[in-house]
Amino acid sequence: DAKTTQPTSMDCAEGRAANLPCNHSTISGNEYVYWYRQIHSQGPQYIIHGLKNNETNEMASLIITEDRKSSTLILPHATLRDTAVYYCIVRGDSWGKLQFGAGTQVVVTP
Amino acid sequence: DAGITQSPRHKVTETGTPVTLRCHQTENHRYMYWYRQDPGHGLRLIHYSYGVKDTDKGEVSDGYSVSRSKTEDFLLTLESATSSQTSVYFCAISEGRASNQPQHFGDGTRLSIL
Repeated sequence: DAKTTQPTSMDCAEGRAANLPCNHSTISGNEYVYWYRQIHSQGPQYIIHGLKNNETNEMASLIITEDRKSSTLILPHATLRDTAVYYCIVRGDSWGKLQFGAGTQVVVTP
Repeated sequence: DAGITQSPRHKVTETGTPVTLRCHQTENHRYMYWYRQDPGHGLRLIHYSYGVKDTDKGEVSDGYSVSRSKTEDFLLTLESATSSQTSVYFCAISEGRASNQPQHFGDGTRLSIL
């Protein structure tokens, strides 16, 4: 699976959109981009995934560049409960295994 | 949220004792996984199951065994616990193995081995 690069941390004001970048320059054609988050003392929570097209669900939007070398997770209206570590993962055909990197620590402030 | 229950949520035990962690799901998903999470190592796969009585090793399987006698339950056993197995253990489930099918995680078991 391709490696990903994320900023170590970022702050976001409550009520504003949070835009979380992720670089995955070695991604292969059949690899999906996944986003998870982990709130302290809880298990990783699935947010969204995509292959080529932009995706949106009730939690977030995922924007993938045309060359697929980077993506952005958008939390449209951040709340204090969105404070967490966010992980960008590229997943190919490996057998069920997810490789979590260091992630981005997002702190939402009032 | 996916119906995944891990038990116990916290456990403290002594070196050399056997320990069994349980993962119970209500989603009827075929695939189940055990991970451990340690600072500096992220999540590492211990074992996984692709059906009742069908299991295989992950990247850090030494010292661990698993069993799956029912679709809904996946047990992780430390036959003789060591201090290096102090960790947070997460169970995950997925409907299928395809790369476009997400895994969903339980809230973990915090295990301390003294």
